[in-house]
Parts: sequence; C-alpha cells; structure tokens
Amino acid sequence: EPEVTQTPSHQVTQMGQEVILRCVPISNHLYFYWYRQILGQKVEFLVSFYNNEISEKSEIFDDQFSVERPDGSNFTLKIRSTKLEDSAMYFCASTTGTSSAYNEQFFGPGTRLTVL
Amino acid sequence: QKEVEQDPGPLSVPEGAIVSLNCTYSNSAFQYFMWYRQYSRKGPELLMYTYSSGNKEDGRFTAQVDKSSKYISLFIRDSQPSDSATYLCAMSAWSSNTGKLIFGQGTTLQVKP
Repeated sequence: EPEVTQTPSHQVTQMGQEVILRCVPISNHLYFYWYRQILGQKVEFLVSFYNNEISEKSEIFDDQFSVERPDGSNFTLKIRSTKLEDSAMYFCASTTGTSSAYNEQFFGPGTRLTVL
Repeated sequence: QKEVEQDPGPLSVPEGAIVSLNCTYSNSAFQYFMWYRQYSRKGPELLMYTYSSGNKEDGRFTAQVDKSSKYISLFIRDSQPSDSATYLCAMSAWSSNTGKLIFGQGTTLQVKP
C-alpha cells in the first residue's frame, strides 16, 4: 500500500542552524501539506502546496520557513534559523485533490525536531 | 473561542465498554469532519470522515455530526485494548486550493483488559 515517508525520523540541531525536513508523498498525489505538533499540544497546520506554489500558510509559517518540491518525488520543509520553540513533531501529508468530494489526507510518520 | 475544542482526557474504560468522544467547533464553514487515530510518536491515521450532518457507521465505530449544535461525536462499541490511542477530531472547509485540516487537542483513550 502506498504511503508517505519522511526523513529523518529524528533531527537534533543547535539553535540558529538551518534544517531541512524531507518527505516523499504518495506518487499520484497533487496537494502537499506540512503540519507540526508540539509535545502535548494539538496538530497545527503550517502550509499547503499545490502546482509548485504555496496555496495557503498559517501565521506560524513565517519568513524562517520555506517549502520546495525540488523534483517529482520529494517535498521539503526548510527552517532557516531554528529556535527552541521550533522543537516539535513535523508531519507531511498528501492527497490527490482531484475530486470535488472529500480527499483523504495521508500522513507520514513524522520527523521529530529537537532544537538545543 | 478556539476553532475546535476537544477534551484531552485521559479517558480510561474497561474492555467491552462503549466509548464516546466529542468535539465542538465554532466555524460554520466546516463541511468535512474527520476522526483520526494517533499512536504514540506516529502520524495520524484516518478512521472515518463525515460530510455535513448525519451519521456514519463503520464496524464498531459510529461518527455523528450535528451542524446545528456544532458538535461531533465518535462512538466505539465493544472497545478493545487495541483501541487504546489518542483520537483526534479534525475539520475542513474544503476548497479547491487548500483543504487544510484544523485539529482538536486529541483525547487519549485507554481500554483496560
């Protein structure tokens, strides 16, 4: 069964460093998302991406964040200068988005980011 | 007022019990209502979704949506220890260019043998 994959599973970085989180969405999917979950808190929407551009972003997704689909398979989230409060689980999700009905978002297993 | 509110629990029940999980919301634009299950340090996994108001049943799980009250529920019949997880409600005002999900806090459920 196709699944969303994410690497690495755990990333430890120093405050101020750049990190890139990687995702491989399901191959025929067209819409891609990043969400984050700070420990003990709710899953929060960060950004949606369609047709090689951001379609919506939340207030959390400031200038320190960027997303890219560098090739036909990967979808990346970059944090330019990490802060302690960026420590969280980051989930990638994808969906076909081709139906006017509900399109299930499939989530990856997440990357746990720890900023020291 | 938060967009989606969900009691985080924890909720502990004996095996075989009926479990009721609930969320309230404030945004009238929500059209799709989902229940996800999340195991520790894993990604959310879709259990069920409902469009607009009404009920939907899938095996031991029943989802209910009452848009007039802005209230959704998930019922689990004959609960099993394997149902122990965190249950997240999520909602979407699906449009052609976003489809972002707004999640509740999640309710942690423990089913004791």
